[in-house]
Amino acid sequence: ETGVTQTPRHLVMGMTNKKSLKCEQHLGHNAMYWYKQSAKKPLELMFVYSLEERVENNSVPSRFSPECPNSSHLFLHLHTLQPEDSALYLCASSQDHFRVYHYGYTFGSGTRLTVV
Amino acid sequence: DQQVKQNSPSLSVQEGRISILNCDYTNSMFDYFLWYKKYPAEGPTFLISISSIKDKNEDGRFTVFLNKSAKHLSLHIVPSQPGDSAVYFCAANSNTGNQFYFGTGTSLTVIP
Repeated sequence: ETGVTQTPRHLVMGMTNKKSLKCEQHLGHNAMYWYKQSAKKPLELMFVYSLEERVENNSVPSRFSPECPNSSHLFLHLHTLQPEDSALYLCASSQDHFRVYHYGYTFGSGTRLTVV
Repeated sequence: DQQVKQNSPSLSVQEGRISILNCDYTNSMFDYFLWYKKYPAEGPTFLISISSIKDKNEDGRFTVFLNKSAKHLSLHIVPSQPGDSAVYFCAANSNTGNQFYFGTGTSLTVIP
């Protein structure tokens, strides 16, 4: 496989559930990201990992917990979410986070999350 | 406050005509700009970029224009094709910044 792969594509979870989103990149990139896309809002950067270390955490509630076990894999662990957390969650990678202005992002297809 | 704005949520254009998608930004430090295209149920894919040392960048049917004094960029698609129907996002960054800021997107429909 090539590019950035996200699983699952769709997820429905109750507010008391615990679930995880998975992202895998096959591009040899050094940086990985979680973005949230809500209706009629810009893409919101949630977390940034560069060389497996978290370098950004944009005031995201603790019910979202990222994990980056190696440079190819990124997880987003979810627990006790709220209905307003329903959104499209996009994973992205970049060749070099500190030159992201030059390389841009490669996005996965996203996980459509519905919290009921 | 949004630093990148796409004020037109949607645009419809006849096949073969020109599509013009607009984007405004507020931060004068931005000097790298990207356009992404997104089909339903897919992630955004990179389309074209421009840096502030240029005022125009062309790639086939796609041309991006940058007006730094107006803090405005636009994407021109000529001629428009039905397969261009998608949501288009612009994004901006500076070479001292650590993230791109995205607009809310413009949904383009090309009518056959």
